[in-house]
Amino acid sequence: DQQVKQNSPSLSVQEGRISILNCDYTNSMFDYFLWYKKYPAEGPTFLISISSIKDKNEDGRFTVFLNKSAKHLSLHIVPSQPGDSAVYFCAASKTNAGKSTFGDGTTLTVKP
Amino acid sequence: NAGVMQNPRHLVRRRGQEARLRCSPMKGHSHVYWYRQLPEEGLKFMVYLQKENIIDESGMPKERFSAEFPKEGPSILRIQQVVRGDSAAYFCASSLLGGAADTGELFFGEGSRLTVL
Repeated sequence: DQQVKQNSPSLSVQEGRISILNCDYTNSMFDYFLWYKKYPAEGPTFLISISSIKDKNEDGRFTVFLNKSAKHLSLHIVPSQPGDSAVYFCAASKTNAGKSTFGDGTTLTVKP
Repeated sequence: NAGVMQNPRHLVRRRGQEARLRCSPMKGHSHVYWYRQLPEEGLKFMVYLQKENIIDESGMPKERFSAEFPKEGPSILRIQQVVRGDSAAYFCASSLLGGAADTGELFFGEGSRLTVL
């Protein structure tokens, strides 16, 4: 029972273009959603988050969109840079539960 | 370095041996989480601990695995009688607050990579 799904294992985009990473969830009790970025041989690092009371959160080149009715969120990176090449994990949590549930990740490759 | 510290970074064990992985949370953090990443897979939750208490161990295998977070010292994930399927990267994360005040943001260590021969 995978409650958080990232259906695209990989994504390749050209430098300067937009990267869109998608995530779906099944548990309607989740009320906080996060994106983490992970480089090889390193731990994940927090990138951006969104509360279920919002539908958009923006931080520089990164924007997360939340569609609660569809149980879908997406991460937009624009413009994409080669240094953005990494594995991106979507995660969801319930504020009273402590833990986060992660998707399997999407490997983003940004080509110069 | 005030980040989450994990050791060892790499650990090799033969089948049947014990593996002990250590995690020191960020300064001021009292909530520790262990996640496992099997090859080609995502991060799977194992256990959530606060000082001297296990809060949620719903992701821990029923046998051979245990975790603790003592009053003094690091959190320890212990795997007894390791098997080849235990080979994975084990990540520890910490957060400042838990429960109702926790937004879910976790600070991860660099992971401990266990290889079972």
